Amino acid sequence: QVQLQQWGAGLLKPSETLSLTCAVYDASFSDYNWSWIRQSPGKGQEWVGEIHLRGGTKYNPSLESRVTISLDTSNNQVSLKLTSVTAADTAVYYCARHGRGGWYFDYWGQGALVTVSS
Amino acid sequence: QSALTQPASVSGSPGQSITISCTGTSNDIGAYDYVSWYQQHPGKAPKLMISDVRNRPSGVSYRFSGSKSGYTASLTISGLQAEDEADYYCSSFTSSRTYVFGTGTKVNVL
Repeated sequence: QVQLQQWGAGLLKPSETLSLTCAVYDASFSDYNWSWIRQSPGKGQEWVGEIHLRGGTKYNPSLESRVTISLDTSNNQVSLKLTSVTAADTAVYYCARHGRGGWYFDYWGQGALVTVSS
Repeated sequence: QSALTQPASVSGSPGQSITISCTGTSNDIGAYDYVSWYQQHPGKAPKLMISDVRNRPSGVSYRFSGSKSGYTASLTISGLQAEDEADYYCSSFTSSRTYVFGTGTKVNVL
């Protein structure tokens, strides 16, 4: 059974950098693409960006200037960094695995609430 | 990229069938058969229910089915059960090679 476990700082001040890590417990980690998706309180999902199994990235245009997603294949981890955060970045952040050869998300992490407040 | 449009809520009695619509544009739903649906219970992570418009992953009840026509995708839940009460989100791959989600629909089981 694939498991995704997330962690990172939960409370940030405006202008700080959000940093989250997702550990993947799956022997086939390197065979998949990975995304980060966020959900603001009381709102729907917003795709943040993805990293391909070979390391290429694609980001949501609205966040592209502030986002970096990276892979640590030696530790089966995916990381997210979002710079210059504001209150609008307050959300639950999920890491998610892309289905094999597919354009959907078949496994999700438990979610990490990040609050931005002065 | 604007969110896909879903009704805010849909209600039904146990045993009934309900359908949730998801409307997009020629740049997302109309461009590819890459629509997926997710169920989310309060405080939980989303769960994949349908991939690629109509494919049901292993373990998902046969009562869930998907379809698409033009710029609108649909999720149908037949034989509605109390456990189906949750939020449902659609998602589509886009011509910009990004992903867009729907506004979300709360399903109420009366």
